[in-house]
Amino acid sequence: GAGVSQSPSNKVTEKGKDVELRCDPISGHTALYWYRQSLGQGLEFLIYFQGNSAPDKSGLPSDRFSAERTGGSVSTLTIQRTQQEDSAVYLCASSLFRSAAIFGPGTRLTVL
Amino acid sequence: DQQVKQNSPSLSVQEGRISILNCDYTNSMFDYFLWYKKYPAEGPTFLISISSIKDKNEDGRFTVFLNKSAKHLSLHIVPSQPGDSAVYFCAARPPLGRSSGDKLTFGTGTRLAVRP
Repeated sequence: GAGVSQSPSNKVTEKGKDVELRCDPISGHTALYWYRQSLGQGLEFLIYFQGNSAPDKSGLPSDRFSAERTGGSVSTLTIQRTQQEDSAVYLCASSLFRSAAIFGPGTRLTVL
Repeated sequence: DQQVKQNSPSLSVQEGRISILNCDYTNSMFDYFLWYKKYPAEGPTFLISISSIKDKNEDGRFTVFLNKSAKHLSLHIVPSQPGDSAVYFCAARPPLGRSSGDKLTFGTGTRLAVRP
């Protein structure tokens, strides 16, 4: 499809396990963002990529969170040693330079 | 520090009437503002945007107004329809050249319910 895709759509994991969340942006979009939305909360910024570099990682909550982007396209958000407070919907978005960000459907992460 | 604020968590409007959703910001460096709509279990959908050089932008039933001196923007939906029922987020972006690049800062959202 022509939109932003994310996988998996749902992920249930046990506390302490590592998880990887994937984002396929719209082809040609140079900017890529990760946000998360916890239950009843707004959209919390995590990290922003321009091409393969991340000029702003200020939103990553702890060193258990990391993200990379390869080939100016696919991005992976990795959470190590998951905790229950990591449970949220993780949203990826992409955009052309200085244009409106287009969001994917999100990955719902549940840490038991 | 919440730089973008939506002080009304919810709003209920009769079908056919006007819905007005409000948003305030504290960072005077923001130069571009956006509204997104979010249905449950879906990602936010871009609705409309406005540059700081304008005070109004209209797209069909949706109009965004920007008052820079008050650091306030609003989204008007006229006429409101039951399908407009969703959570609405405003977002703001700093100008080109700031270290935060294209980072969007979001408000906490307003849940709109349009009653048939």
